[in-house]
Amino acid sequence: GQSLEQPSEVTAVEGAIVQINCTYQTSGFYGLSWYQQHDGGAPTFLSYNALDGLEETGRFSSFLSRSDSYGYLLLQELQMKDSASYFCAVVPSGNTPLVFGKGTRLSVIA
Amino acid sequence: DTEVTQTPKHLVMGMTNKKSLKCEQHMGHRAMYWYKQKAKKPPELMFVYSYEKLSINESVPSRFSPECPNSSLLNLHLHALQPEDSALYLCASSGGRGTEAFFGQGTRLTVV
Repeated sequence: GQSLEQPSEVTAVEGAIVQINCTYQTSGFYGLSWYQQHDGGAPTFLSYNALDGLEETGRFSSFLSRSDSYGYLLLQELQMKDSASYFCAVVPSGNTPLVFGKGTRLSVIA
Repeated sequence: DTEVTQTPKHLVMGMTNKKSLKCEQHMGHRAMYWYKQKAKKPPELMFVYSYEKLSINESVPSRFSPECPNSSLLNLHLHALQPEDSALYLCASSGGRGTEAFFGQGTRLTVV
């Protein structure tokens, strides 16, 4: 089976840095993805880690530790538009669909 | 073109109606998916098509019937739905490696 844990809600101040953690237990593991979803919108791809370490894309970075079955999404210089739900998702194997975590609702306040 | 297009955006249907949701992508992706999403919940996988063949059916009730007419199109036929089937239905496609999935904007379905 597959199980992903992430906090349900996080609140942070505009301009600050926030980290959203994700731990997983899966029968197979190919990589960890992160998706952003605004209310009423579709999930959009943010990042993917297959190997240990940090991947940086602009204000967003994602980290993976395969030995700890743990990853996180780091958002810097928070903006109000970053208020959304963030899902970690495991790729169990190379040709299987994503398994999503329950999502973290990020609220950015002034 | 990195878009997945879904129609209609909104749909209200009665429990005796038959309707279809449509999804189209022109990225050459060979894997296409239907997900169901309830409010404040993650997307739940319903069906996977790989190379136009149904490869995964996550024990979805038969009142939902998927169809893949060609490599660019994916349909979801709906019949005799229940009010609890009201949700956002998302279509997605990927290159098959599962690394990045592109989602459509979804169809918000209300069953009355």
